[in-house]
Amino acid sequence: QTVVTQEPSFSVSPGGTVTLTCGLSSGSVSTSYYPSWYQQTPGQAPRTLIYSTDTRSSGVPDRFSGSILGNKAALTITGAQADDESDYYCVLYMSSGISVFGGGTKVTVL
Amino acid sequence: EVQLVQSGAEVKKPGESLKISCKGSGYSFTTYWIGWVRQMPGKGLEWMGIVYPGDSDTRYSPSFQGQVTISADKSIDTAYLQWNSLKASDSAMYYCARWYGGNSGDHWGQGTLVTVSS
Repeated sequence: QTVVTQEPSFSVSPGGTVTLTCGLSSGSVSTSYYPSWYQQTPGQAPRTLIYSTDTRSSGVPDRFSGSILGNKAALTITGAQADDESDYYCVLYMSSGISVFGGGTKVTVL
Repeated sequence: EVQLVQSGAEVKKPGESLKISCKGSGYSFTTYWIGWVRQMPGKGLEWMGIVYPGDSDTRYSPSFQGQVTISADKSIDTAYLQWNSLKASDSAMYYCARWYGGNSGDHWGQGTLVTVSS
């Protein structure tokens, strides 16, 4: 089964920029995988940040942006704030019609 | 306003059956996929499968195929996740989400905690 890869953790300073990536165990990620990104804080339901590679969900601040960087999907947080400290998950849509979550990245703001 | 409201927490014994629900409102329920996502304690999110309420078309992750049944009743705008014989390892939080275009979640339910213990 296809494995979707994410960095386990990242640390960013307040006001800093961090880029999280979402790759495949085999192959390159393109817009055809409709990469999407989700934020989850402990005890809360996930919140959709980005869908279809780079479209921000309603109400999501523009400091969150999505893109394809090289052979991976990427989520960039520009001007990180304390309340951006969360777990971030990507999802890739496979040609078989199923989706797969990455393992998640824990972002610490300090 | 799009809302997905899930049924309440459940405590069950191994071997019992269970059906949890997810009721949509604020949009045309039959024209968007509904997905189910598992989160085991302290672990990440896992995509289980989706159902299209308009025609009950379903797609399952290979990891969950045959382990659960996903369905929908369009007459009451409700999707379901069902187990015939629960195991302790089914203990988890389960989220439903509107799965936009069949490829990404855009609105989420509040979650249903399932605890399976003898």
